[in-house]
Amino acid sequence: DTAVSQTPKYLVTQMGNDKSIKCEQNLGHDTMYWYKQDSKKFLKIMFSYNNKELIINETVPNRFSPKSPDKAHLNLHINSLELGDSAVYFCASSHANRGPSSYEQYFGPGTRLTVT
Amino acid sequence: AQKVTQAQTEISVVEKEDVTLDCVYETRDTTYYLFWYKQPPSGELVFLIRRNSFDEQNEISGRYSWNFQKSTSSFNFTITASQVVDSAVYFCALSEAQNQAGTALIFGKGTTLSVSS
Repeated sequence: DTAVSQTPKYLVTQMGNDKSIKCEQNLGHDTMYWYKQDSKKFLKIMFSYNNKELIINETVPNRFSPKSPDKAHLNLHINSLELGDSAVYFCASSHANRGPSSYEQYFGPGTRLTVT
Repeated sequence: AQKVTQAQTEISVVEKEDVTLDCVYETRDTTYYLFWYKQPPSGELVFLIRRNSFDEQNEISGRYSWNFQKSTSSFNFTITASQVVDSAVYFCALSEAQNQAGTALIFGKGTTLSVSS
């Protein structure tokens, strides 16, 4: 009964490849996010979706494309992987339009991406 | 602009010591939310607490307590009688109340707490 799940947990791939990370939440939340945690553990927002609509699109290379088939899923596709993409990618979710609790975000276990 | 500063990069304590993790934030909004998250060695991010800008009451949950002071823009986290299982990276975060859907968390750089037995 995992709340926010991500697959895979580890992803090792070569430069130039295309890969996807999947995220699913069973919390009934309306909003989902992708964050990147770099090697110094700094966490930064990449994207957010509310009910399948893109809300936040930070300065992220076009090689990164989020896709939300429904409000319980938010996948991250990365084209032409580069060494600098190596990081831990976290998916998160939250309610929307429910007052202060809408700002609480619950995170998945993370996907450690290593590009060689 | 929003900013969260956790000046303590690493803290080491011995079990049963009390420890306080500092967090200072910057925002121009009058309504905002503050958070603490824990990242244990296993890597997941665990939500600990949310504090609303309009509620300055301090909060206690077991060995954890939080001190929110708007006058100094601080939201400090104290662990009483620390235990080895408290060893983790702790992140303070801020969210401005721009809208109620999809607002990003702005994280501090984290404080690594090591508790030895």
